[in-house]
Amino acid sequence: AQSVTQLGSHVSVSEGALVLLRCNYSSSVPPYLFWYVQYPNQGLQLLLKYTSAATLVKGINGFEAEFKKSETSFHLTKPSAHMSDAAEYFCAVSVPGGTALIFGKGTTLSVSS
Amino acid sequence: DAGVTQSPTHLIKTRGQQVTLRCSPISGHKSVSWYQQVLGQGPQFIFQYYEKEERGRGNFPDRFSARQFPNYSSELNVNALLLGDSALYLCASSLEGDRNYGYTFGSGTRLTVV
Repeated sequence: AQSVTQLGSHVSVSEGALVLLRCNYSSSVPPYLFWYVQYPNQGLQLLLKYTSAATLVKGINGFEAEFKKSETSFHLTKPSAHMSDAAEYFCAVSVPGGTALIFGKGTTLSVSS
Repeated sequence: DAGVTQSPTHLIKTRGQQVTLRCSPISGHKSVSWYQQVLGQGPQFIFQYYEKEERGRGNFPDRFSARQFPNYSSELNVNALLLGDSALYLCASSLEGDRNYGYTFGSGTRLTVV
């Protein structure tokens, strides 16, 4: 079975600091991996996705993530946090033939000035 | 182009009642998936429909059912509501129902069961 673990339910950074949100996955077959962001009272917005091409994936709003098979990780980073980045972030996995996205429990990012 | 639209945005129901949630996918998308997001948790997969056929079902009781119409819109029905059904219900549409095409989510329907 596939699963996703997001380490740290809450991450706090200062404006301008590096953002690092951690995601580890479990899958017996090559996965597709996704990062979504959710602002209060809204749905999910796709930040980026890994689909077995380049291991370093660039997304919207300056975010990027690197797929590391040896570490089964897909951590999300942004060099410089902005106040508008404060939101809930979800990592998700899907597998060949699978019809569902399997989500982690989410990480709340707080950004202080 | 309109994104994924869900209705209603909010509703309050009493335990034991039945509820129907609606979703219109992005124009041209043939697949719709439903997810339940309980407060403080990640979304949990309920159903996926593609070309009006059920493609997948998550670990939810039979009180949950869904269908997809010829225009690819979808309804999620929940019978005999429980307090634990209170959640944000998200609809996601996809071009072909395959992960290669990605999933676009709507803003959700907030269901409160009292």
